[in-house]
Amino acid sequence: DTAVSQTPKYLVTQMGNDKSIKCEQNLGHDTMYWYKQDSKKFLKIMFSYNNKELIINETVPNRFSPKSPDKAHLNLHINSLELGDSAVYFCASSQARGSEKLFFGSGTQLSVL
Amino acid sequence: KNQVEQSPQSLIILEGKNCTLQCNYTVSPFSNLRWYKQDTGRGPVSLTIMTFSENTKSNGRYTATLDADTKQSSLHITASQLSDSASYICVVSSLRYGNNRLAFGKGNQVVVIP
Repeated sequence: DTAVSQTPKYLVTQMGNDKSIKCEQNLGHDTMYWYKQDSKKFLKIMFSYNNKELIINETVPNRFSPKSPDKAHLNLHINSLELGDSAVYFCASSQARGSEKLFFGSGTQLSVL
Repeated sequence: KNQVEQSPQSLIILEGKNCTLQCNYTVSPFSNLRWYKQDTGRGPVSLTIMTFSENTKSNGRYTATLDADTKQSSLHITASQLSDSASYICVVSSLRYGNNRLAFGKGNQVVVIP
């Protein structure tokens, strides 16, 4: 069973569209994250949620809106997609807030045309 | 300037050979340091964690070292295999005001060739 699963694996869309990426973890972890990995493979934190509460928002444009219906899910909705949004987005989870060992999903390759 | 610098950016090694990856950091206060392995098309997976008091730790053919005084860590891969081809990411944790903050390096891209 996949510990952290995110869908879709690939997402190709036109500029200006709205899209969502879903993430679920079955590890019983309290904290979930969204990371963006650019073309140079650099991972940057976007958001962190602890028990459905937002705890980190790293100056991400407000076109990006995370939603956590429960602590096992953290979805990412993106409005008005731009070319610069093209990247790989990783969902991750950790045992508790402040626990540094991250468990990552396999990523969503977003391509904005 | 990034708080975590890794070198070399990329390297190619022959199967069976050893290699060493470097991670220098300026993060303070230091909590711990992790090495992650990221296979192509996959998410990173934790290989090892180094805390302040640890100098060396092994995980199979991977051996990590930490010098907290000079703020340097290395990851040594022994007898490389084709499956070692991946990006190796150094992540340093800083505990500030009760919150852990993670600083990521840009990764060492390793290609093992037969």
